[in-house]
Amino acid sequence: DAKTTQPNSMESNEEEPVHLPCNHSTISGTDYIHWYRQLPSQGPEYVIHGLTSNVNNRMASLAIAEDRKSSTLILHRATLRDAAVYYCIPRRDNQGGKLIFGQGTELSVKP
Amino acid sequence: ETGVTQSPTHLIKTRGQQVTLRCSSQSGHNTVSWYQQALGQGPQFIFQYYREEENGRGNFPPRFSGLQFPNYSSELNVNALELDDSALYLCASSFIRGRMGEQFFGPGTRLTVL
Repeated sequence: DAKTTQPNSMESNEEEPVHLPCNHSTISGTDYIHWYRQLPSQGPEYVIHGLTSNVNNRMASLAIAEDRKSSTLILHRATLRDAAVYYCIPRRDNQGGKLIFGQGTELSVKP
Repeated sequence: ETGVTQSPTHLIKTRGQQVTLRCSSQSGHNTVSWYQQALGQGPQFIFQYYREEENGRGNFPPRFSGLQFPNYSSELNVNALELDDSALYLCASSFIRGRMGEQFFGPGTRLTVL
């Protein structure tokens, strides 16, 4: 299983963009990069995932480095509701339900 | 479409007792996974059930066991409770067609062992 390194915490101002980095230098060529987040007192929720190309959805964008050893989750305009712990998770296509969570990054958003 | 639900929300047990936690998967999902989350840590994978069979297990002892029922609801059983079993227990359901599926998590059951 690939190991990940994320900052323990980050701060952002409301309505500003946030870039959450993740290093996954031991990622294998077939691992997708998934991001989940966990709001206070809730279970984790899926945010986005990608393999090689940058990805966008209604929640966020995912920028993947060309060598795939790092990725960045981008929240284009942070809201107070985005305050959560964000987890970057490399995951094999055939790994079924298993998610390997690291420590994650705790994002706080200031009004 | 109802989401993933778990019961009870909170539970207090004493060391040595046994506990059963319950999970109802999201409608249409065929797989359920269980995770343990200690305070300040990320969730740790316990095991997964697919079509009522265990389909992968993390580094947890045999006193952690589970069941998945035909209606895709699930139970996590923990025997001989230890103080370190105090944690938030999360279940997650997904639909797997041989490839990974997005996991949908319930709100968790907070277990305290005294």
